[in-house]
Amino acid sequence: KAGVTQTPRYLIKTRGQQVTLSCSPISGHRSVSWYQQTPGQGLQFLFEYFSETQRNKGNFPGRFSGRQFSNSRSEMNVSTLELGDSALYLCASSLGTTGGNIQYFGAGTRLSVL
Amino acid sequence: KQEVTQIPAALSVPEGENLVLNCSFTDSAIYNLQWFRQDPGKGLTSLLLIQSSQREQTSGRLNASLDKSSGRSTLYIAASQPGDSATYLCAVRDDYKLSFGAGTTVTVRA
Repeated sequence: KAGVTQTPRYLIKTRGQQVTLSCSPISGHRSVSWYQQTPGQGLQFLFEYFSETQRNKGNFPGRFSGRQFSNSRSEMNVSTLELGDSALYLCASSLGTTGGNIQYFGAGTRLSVL
Repeated sequence: KQEVTQIPAALSVPEGENLVLNCSFTDSAIYNLQWFRQDPGKGLTSLLLIQSSQREQTSGRLNASLDKSSGRSTLYIAASQPGDSATYLCAVRDDYKLSFGAGTTVTVRA
């Protein structure tokens, strides 16, 4: 059974550009969450999606957005990139949203903003 | 706001020694606690999940305990091996998200 797949693995962008990251969850998983990991702030919650609906959003500016498709695949978009957006972006999937569900993480997309 | 703390930040041990990693959290209203492993530049690998109603979980050489009332969890790794070298993160789950500690970076010396 394939794990969580994130593409691309690496991205280099310049300030002011926008970027789209993709996440394909484990087959059968309907919940997808996104996290940002930086050396200074650690791992921080970005969004949670379930059945194409954003259920929750973390404390990030409106430049960060996302969506989920009917096949549970998810994308996140960051517009008007800033240097501080350089980070490892991790996607996690789970069967459902209740507390007993293990979240499985992908390998991440490393974004570098120059 | 949930705060998760992991002590120590780094640990170096000789091969064969047992590892003890600590995690504390401030809000006991959690659904579960997960321990993850992260290798440099990689994603997170789930090691153990302890439901809020459970006291411990075991998998092979790994054992994790949870004391929800005191806001503490401990991960024990028996008979450490060089392949156990990684960063170990604990995370607590509230109603919709995981809150992570900063991690403990473990080095097992051959």
